[in-house]
Amino acid sequence: GDSVTQMEGPVTLSEEAFLTINCTYTATGYPSLFWYVQYPGEGLQLLLKATKADDKGSNKGFEATYRKETTSFHLEKGSVQVSDSAVYFCALTLNTGFQKLVFGTGTRLLVSP
Amino acid sequence: DAGVIQSPRHEVTEMGQEVTLRCKPISGHDYLFWYRQTMMRGLELLIYFNNNVPIDDSGMPEDRFSAKMPNASFSTLKIQPSEPRDSAVYFCASSQNSVSNQPQHFGDGTRLSIL
Repeated sequence: GDSVTQMEGPVTLSEEAFLTINCTYTATGYPSLFWYVQYPGEGLQLLLKATKADDKGSNKGFEATYRKETTSFHLEKGSVQVSDSAVYFCALTLNTGFQKLVFGTGTRLLVSP
Repeated sequence: DAGVIQSPRHEVTEMGQEVTLRCKPISGHDYLFWYRQTMMRGLELLIYFNNNVPIDDSGMPEDRFSAKMPNASFSTLKIQPSEPRDSAVYFCASSQNSVSNQPQHFGDGTRLSIL
């Protein structure tokens, strides 16, 4: 079935370090890909998305590129801040007209000053 | 803009009691989703509605769980009777239309504790 695999957390970084959170997917069709972020005590918020191969989603300094050949959508940021500490979820929807999201297990990011 | 509104934010009750969680989606959104989040199982989709009609309830864990959407601006998730293993954070989300690249907008969740 369709699935998303994320790297295990927590990821612990110092402020201004480079961030990569790996995400790979398995899907029968051509999915749309998303990164959501969850801050403590809050719901998930869309961070960025990409809807077709080679698309790059970007927002708030975060980027991810839809790589069909490696079935990946890794999240990157050049310089993290303490305020980026949160749980990050990679997710997909199939382009079948239905809105069902398939989530990864989430990766907790901890950024220290 | 008003986002997805859930109530209550926190609920603590004893096992065997009925629990009702409420959700108001964003106005104009056609899809509504209920999720459950736990440490052990992560984020699970329980049920979703399109235009107030339940489309997929395969994630509802058992008959003790039920969900309704009587109109476009209100949905409930009910657990009767509740059990300690139902303790989790329950999220409601809504989205605008059936185009699959449209994001879902989440509420802040209801943290449910069953004693």
